[in-house]
Amino acid sequence: GENVEQHPSTLSVQEGDSAVIKCTYSDSASNYFPWYKQELGKRPQLIIDIRSNVGEKKDQRIAVTLNKTAKHFSLHITETQPEDSAVYFCAASDDYKLSFGAGTTVTVRA
Amino acid sequence: DGGITQSPKYLFRKEGQNVTLSCEQNLNHDAMYWYRQDPGQGLRLIYYSQIVNDFQKGDIAEGYSVSREKKESFPLTVTSAQKNPTAFYLCASTRSPGADQPQHFGDGTRLSIL
Repeated sequence: GENVEQHPSTLSVQEGDSAVIKCTYSDSASNYFPWYKQELGKRPQLIIDIRSNVGEKKDQRIAVTLNKTAKHFSLHITETQPEDSAVYFCAASDDYKLSFGAGTTVTVRA
Repeated sequence: DGGITQSPKYLFRKEGQNVTLSCEQNLNHDAMYWYRQDPGQGLRLIYYSQIVNDFQKGDIAEGYSVSREKKESFPLTVTSAQKNPTAFYLCASTRSPGADQPQHFGDGTRLSIL
């Protein structure tokens, strides 16, 4: 089955700086890579996703890049704000299942 | 307002007891999923159902059971065989069968052992 590894597990950034989270996956057949944001005690919410036929996608301050050859993808958050503090999960689809990374706790320092 | 409703929000289980977590959606989505979330870990798939009256085991199905008698409902039973049930349980759905699309999550149920 699919195995998704996510790094780092915790990330502390100064407000206004950028944050980068990296994930690797094992199954070359995976074709869909979403990122979810989860605030404490709340439901995960999709913030951006990318498909295997696209190398990069951007939505305002958030961008995701995908390198299919190396089997890794990354989340980039620019101009971080206090409301960006949360746990972020990457995931990769394997037929009918999503496999999640272990999560990155992002703390934005004011 | 469409969405996924999970109940109860908090649940306590006694030794040897089975408990059932409710998940209802009014999104008219075909597929539904149950995940378990432990501290410091990602979401792990327990069971999923692509259509009514059909479901498959996920990665950690032992000690759990599900049913999908109606499109909008996908209850999860945590049986006494699940020796470490304390966790946060999340239900999700997708518009059509397949994981290559956004999953919509409920607010979760936190299960604890008495």
